[in-house]
Amino acid sequence: DGGITQSPKYLFRKEGQNVTLSCEQNLNHDAMYWYRQDPGQGLRLIYYSQIVNDFQKGDIAEGYSVSREKKESFPLTVTSAQKNPTAFYLCASSAGTGRLSNQPQHFGDGTRLSIL
Amino acid sequence: QKEVEQDPGPLSVPEGAIVSLNCTYSNSAFQYFMWYRQYSRKGPELLMYTYSSGNKEDGRFTAQVDKSSKYISLFIRDSQPSDSATYLCAMSAFGNEKLTFGTGTRLTIIP
Repeated sequence: DGGITQSPKYLFRKEGQNVTLSCEQNLNHDAMYWYRQDPGQGLRLIYYSQIVNDFQKGDIAEGYSVSREKKESFPLTVTSAQKNPTAFYLCASSAGTGRLSNQPQHFGDGTRLSIL
Repeated sequence: QKEVEQDPGPLSVPEGAIVSLNCTYSNSAFQYFMWYRQYSRKGPELLMYTYSSGNKEDGRFTAQVDKSSKYISLFIRDSQPSDSATYLCAMSAFGNEKLTFGTGTRLTIIP
């Protein structure tokens, strides 16, 4: 089945620890995105990537890092600099860049990160 | 003021009723409009995707866009308990892949 796979489903972080959230897609989509979802705040964009080896900061990139070494993979690292990391993290992908940049985004089932 | 406003609810309606969900926005550059459904502990699922003004129907769902009023709606006919979820509106400007989301409306259909 084509889709977006996020792992793990639940993750716990200790103080001072970096953790990495995995996102893999087999939809052959060019663009990938990371969002953070908090109660009452909707989805906020952390980072996005339109092409391999290139990515841009979203609205709340501080304390996060990403890489895009392969088209199908876009891992997100939550660093110790992110002081309030407890949230539901969602990865998305879309087919379009450039002239096709308004293609709809499709989401994975998220990773819930909590602080120990 | 947020770019996209959405009533958070919660909204409870009896099974079989028509549901109306709405978003208003302030950015006149928005031309692409989406509705997503999100079940608890799951990712958002794309329901409707429309461009510019007008109506689009898909089964029991109808999306309506009024660009002159900067107002979009999602109607659900013959609502079912399985429609109980949070509904998110999202929109983007032409040539911009970044989506701006509403905060979501939590809907419960009462059997």
